[in-house]
This record gives sequence, structure tokens and C-alpha cells, in this order.
Amino acid sequence: AQSVSQHNHHVILSEAASLELGCNYSYGGTVNLFWYVQYPGQHLQLLLKYFSGDPLVKGIKGFEAEFIKSKFSFNLRKPSVQWSDTAEYFCAPLGATDKLIFGTGTRLQVFP
Amino acid sequence: NAGVMQNPRHLVRRRGQEARLRCSPMKGHSHVYWYRQLPEEGLKFMVYLQKENIIDESGMPKERFSAEFPKEGPSILRIQQVVRGDSAAYFCASSPKRNTEAFFGQGTRLTVV
Repeated sequence: AQSVSQHNHHVILSEAASLELGCNYSYGGTVNLFWYVQYPGQHLQLLLKYFSGDPLVKGIKGFEAEFIKSKFSFNLRKPSVQWSDTAEYFCAPLGATDKLIFGTGTRLQVFP
Repeated sequence: NAGVMQNPRHLVRRRGQEARLRCSPMKGHSHVYWYRQLPEEGLKFMVYLQKENIIDESGMPKERFSAEFPKEGPSILRIQQVVRGDSAAYFCASSPKRNTEAFFGQGTRLTVV
């Protein structure tokens, strides 16, 4: 069965700090991978996606993620966070089931 | 191109009443997904529909919950005889085809009193 694990439930950073959020998935077949962001009180928005090709993908707002097939991981990174990055971040694999399976999410708080 | 539209944004129901949540997918999208988000939890998949067909309802509670996506009109998630535990945010997402990213609506926040 398809599943996903996000290790960091709550991350607190100061502005300009670097960010890395872990995501591991379990699925044996071909999988597409997504990171979504949910700002307070808002809906989910797509941050970035990986379908194939270069395993390092760049998304909006300076975020990037690296797909490491051997580790079943798709960690999200940003070199320097801003206060406006305060939000909840969800990793979601998409396999043959045709539905996004979401992790429990990571709540990021950035303090000025 | 309007995004995924959900209405109402907020819905208050008394225990035992029915809740009907509507979702209009993006133009050209024929795949609709419903998710439920409880406080402090992630999004839980409920049901996946294509026009007039339920593709996957493995996340739907066996009783009181139903969903449809008719040929014309929005997708409807219907909860009969609501209970306090149904209070949550319900998100709808749509996509133009299989196995691609989904676009989310603003959600309907259901409160059962």
C-alpha cells in the first residue's frame, strides 16, 4: 500500500535560516511526487512536483526538493526562509492508485 | 480560468441534519477528489470520482457519507445525520487527467453543533 511519512511535525526557525523537511514514501512502482503548502486559513497550493528526469526539482518561492530513489525520499529544502514561509507543508506521492496520499504535514513557524 | 470552487465556505449543522458540500472543478477537469482535514491532522483521502463514476471510495465511511459527480453540475459530498465528529474542513481537488497534480479548492468548514 502507498504511504508517506513526514518526520518533522513542527519546525521553528529564525528568518534566514536554512530549511530541510524530510519526506519518505513507500511504494514499489513508478511514483510522482509533490509538495503542497497550506498558508494559515487557506487552501493547499502546489509548491513543486517531480515526474521524471532531473531528481533535483525547483519550485516556487525558492523551494527545491531532491528525489533519491534508493532512499525513497523527497526532501524539501530552502536555503534561507522568510517570515512569509510560515505555513504547513505536505508531501504527497502519487502512484498507480491515482490519488494523492498526504503525510501528516509539517508546521513551519518562522520568526523575524 | 477560475480555480476549484467550493461552497459554502462555512456550514453549520445541528446533529442529525444533512450537510451538502459542493465542488465545481476547474474548467476542463473531469477528475474530482474529496479530502477531509481534522484539526492537527493531515488530509485524509475520501473519494475519487470521474464524471458520473465513483473510481475509488476507499476512504469514505461506510454509513451516512455519499458522493456524486453528475454529467452536469458540481460534485456533491453528502453527509446524512451529521454528528459532532464530522466537524472538519472538507477539501475538493480536481485534475485534468489521471496521475497528475491536483488543484485544491478553498474548502468547506463544517461545524456540527
